[in-house]
This record gives sequence, C-alpha cells and structure tokens, in this order.
Amino acid sequence: NAGVMQNPRHLVRRRGQEARLRCSPMKGHSHVYWYRQLPEEGLKFMVYLQKENIIDESGMPKERFSAEFPKEGPSILRIQQVVRGDSAAYFCASSSLGVAREQYFGPGTRLTVT
Amino acid sequence: GENVEQHPSTLSVQEGDSAVIKCTYSDSASNYFPWYKQELGKGPQLIIDIRSNVGEKKDQRIAVTLNKTAKHFSLHITETQPEDSAVYFCAASEKSNQFYFGTGTSLTVIP
Repeated sequence: NAGVMQNPRHLVRRRGQEARLRCSPMKGHSHVYWYRQLPEEGLKFMVYLQKENIIDESGMPKERFSAEFPKEGPSILRIQQVVRGDSAAYFCASSSLGVAREQYFGPGTRLTVT
Repeated sequence: GENVEQHPSTLSVQEGDSAVIKCTYSDSASNYFPWYKQELGKGPQLIIDIRSNVGEKKDQRIAVTLNKTAKHFSLHITETQPEDSAVYFCAASEKSNQFYFGTGTSLTVIP
C-alpha cells in the first residue's frame, strides 16, 4: 500500500542550475497537486494536474517554473535557473477524484539553493 | 480568493488535557475542510475532514466542528498524548480542488 512517493528527498543546487522534483501518486490516483512550504509557514498551492493536463496553475510563478504529469511516469516539477528564494520544501499530493476529495501528501523534497 | 486564518500559532498543554485549534475562512463557497498533522521532516498527514453539510465529526480522540454561518471550524483533541505533538494545519477548499491552508499551530504536549 505505497503512499505518495517523492524524490529526491533533499536536493542542493547552486544558483542558476535547474531543479527537477519527481512525484509518483498513490496507486489509483490520477490527480496531482504541488505545494510549496517556506520555513514556519503553511503550504501554498502551486499547480494541479491530471494525466497529460494542467488543470490549474494559478499558484505557480509564470517564469522559471513548469510542471507536467505525463501519461506514463511521475509528475515533474521543474525549476529553471534557481535562485536562493526558491529554497523551500516542495510537497506533492494526490487524490482519486477531482472535486473536494481527500488529498494525500508525500514526504516532500527539501530544495536548498546555495 | 480564499483566506484561511488559524489560531493559536503555538499551543502547549499538559498530557491528558484537551487542545483546541480554530480556523476561519472567508469564501462561503468553500465546502471541504481537512485537517493535517505534520511531524518534523515529514509531509502533512490527513487526520480528519469535514464537509459543509455536516456540523460535527468525531474519530476517537479527535473531533472537528464547523459553523458555516460564522465561517469557522475547529479541531478538538481530547486526552492529549506526547505523540500528538506536531504542527497542525487546517485547510479550506471549494470545487476547484485548490486547498487554502492556515499558517499552522505548533502543538506541544508536556508529559
């Protein structure tokens, strides 16, 4: 009964490099959500995806950030040309249905930009 | 958009006492209110949720109440134990599936 998987758990990047964060939803879940959590703050919604579709990306910065959820394989959150302000914990959640259903979170990827 | 406020930000209770965390929301369209527990270094774990057609829900030592008129909902933990120590987040969601989280309550249960 595998839960939501995220990797890597910790990622260190220098300013200007690219960061790729991966998320595999729970078995049977076809909806994926990405959140960002800054130290001692709540989670902020970034993007909501279904297989091969971005449903809502209103919380994601327009530049440098992109997300995908291909037909096969995990969902990817990609951050290009990282800056120090991108340092945060990035959590992925998944759910089985689209409307107000339970979201189950992964353990997160802690990104540190040096 | 939705705005969720959560109080208190920190809470310390003696083992065995009750703990109450309160949240308010602004968007009357919100209809789903989950609570998450986050332990250090881990992802948030769903512990209980309530939908807008229900006023109260209980699961063993945990209960949640919802007042739609006043737009507030609360988490109640009875007979607290040291393992209840964690950060608790409330959230509100309407049909868009986008969750709006409170800023968290750090609960410490003192043995």
